[in-house]
Amino acid sequence: DTGVSQNPRHKITKRGQNVTFRCDPISEHNRLYWYRQTLGQGPEFLTYFQNEAQLEKSRLLSDRFSAERPKGSFSTLEIQRTEQGDSAMYLCASSFDRESYEQYFGPGTRLTVT
Amino acid sequence: DQQVKQNSPSLSVQEGRISILNCDYTNSMFDYFLWYKKYPAEGPTFLISISSIKDKNEDGRFTVFLNKSAKHLSLHIVPSQPGDSAVYFCAGRSAGNKLTFGGGTRVLVKP
Repeated sequence: DTGVSQNPRHKITKRGQNVTFRCDPISEHNRLYWYRQTLGQGPEFLTYFQNEAQLEKSRLLSDRFSAERPKGSFSTLEIQRTEQGDSAMYLCASSFDRESYEQYFGPGTRLTVT
Repeated sequence: DQQVKQNSPSLSVQEGRISILNCDYTNSMFDYFLWYKKYPAEGPTFLISISSIKDKNEDGRFTVFLNKSAKHLSLHIVPSQPGDSAVYFCAGRSAGNKLTFGGGTRVLVKP
């Protein structure tokens, strides 16, 4: 399967703990995006990378959130000192380049903060 | 500030009939509009798109219409099939290939 993969698929953590999610994009795609989806809402943009450079961050991404894409391949999204409001589905997507408007999404990581 | 709105949270339609999903937007800078389909426990999958300079795009059973003056787009599915039962999101694309999604419409196609 050569689609976008995300790990773990589910994460339950206690408030105050740190969590890290991983996204592996489609191999030839140089753009990678993170979105967050809460119940009953559409995905909301968090940040995106072109290769290893993080080009934009949403104001939704507080200083407790950090994303990296070392070597322009997989990406990680870390949330420090988790809060109950962080409970959501975290989706990763990739695309070939700026002109390719179609983004391919992974299955997401569902985070539950208790 | 909801730049993309889908005002119908759900839609029920008989198999074989037409499904019409609506979407309104406020951001005039969107250059493409996309529809995504989402099944439970899966990520959204791309369905069809339309450039902001077009007013219609058709792909098989799916047609998207864009009314730029009204800032409104719609997705027509005809004929609807039970496998079309899913949540549908419309999205506008802005700078950086960033997508802004609506809240989704859950479609149920009854056999």
